[in-house]
Amino acid sequence: EVQLLESGGGLARPGGSLRLSCAASGLTFSGAVMSWVRQAPGKGLEWVSTLTGNGGSETYGDSVKGRFAVSRDNSKNTLYLQMNSLRAEDTAIYYCARADYYHGSGSYYFDSWGQGTLVTVSS
Amino acid sequence: IQMTQSPSSLSASVGDRVTITCRASQSVATHLNWYQQKPGKAPVVLIYAASSLQSGVPSRFSGSGSGTDFTLTISSLQPEDFATYYCQQSYYTLQNTFGQGTKLEMK
Repeated sequence: EVQLLESGGGLARPGGSLRLSCAASGLTFSGAVMSWVRQAPGKGLEWVSTLTGNGGSETYGDSVKGRFAVSRDNSKNTLYLQMNSLRAEDTAIYYCARADYYHGSGSYYFDSWGQGTLVTVSS
Repeated sequence: IQMTQSPSSLSASVGDRVTITCRASQSVATHLNWYQQKPGKAPVVLIYAASSLQSGVPSRFSGSGSGTDFTLTISSLQPEDFATYYCQQSYYTLQNTFGQGTKLEMK
């Protein structure tokens, strides 16, 4: 069974930084495409970032591009999200998720999610 | 790619047949997934690749569509189905977009 456990959330000041971690188990982590998805209080899901298994390709949503950086340590089965220049609108629960691959159509979908970690940006 | 769900909210009764629609701003072929989220919980995938039922998901859930128009259908609503539902496109593997969600409430 795949297990994902996020940590590192908390209170940050506007303009400040936080680093989230996602510890994975029950999967071949180095082969897994991993993503961060967030959800502001009372709002919908927003895709934040995706990183391929070997770390060679990374992508970001427009709202975080240039401020957030995703990385991974495959030796530790851990995904990271470095969040800089934080804004009030970054306040959200941050989930990490594994993107599984369906060979039938070449589709990816998020089949495993962590429980989320809350980030609050406030002065 | 923008994803638009309709309706944004829906009231229904146990036993009802419910349909939620998701429209993409451009073709996503069948790279469309559906998730269910209950309050305080992480989302759970129901349908992937537009119409494939995730293992363990009840057969009353089904998905259809291709290109820009997709539907999620619950054939006979059960009490545990009251939740918020999201569509998500994965046409560009590393770039994803979710719909704004459809809140399914008890009538």
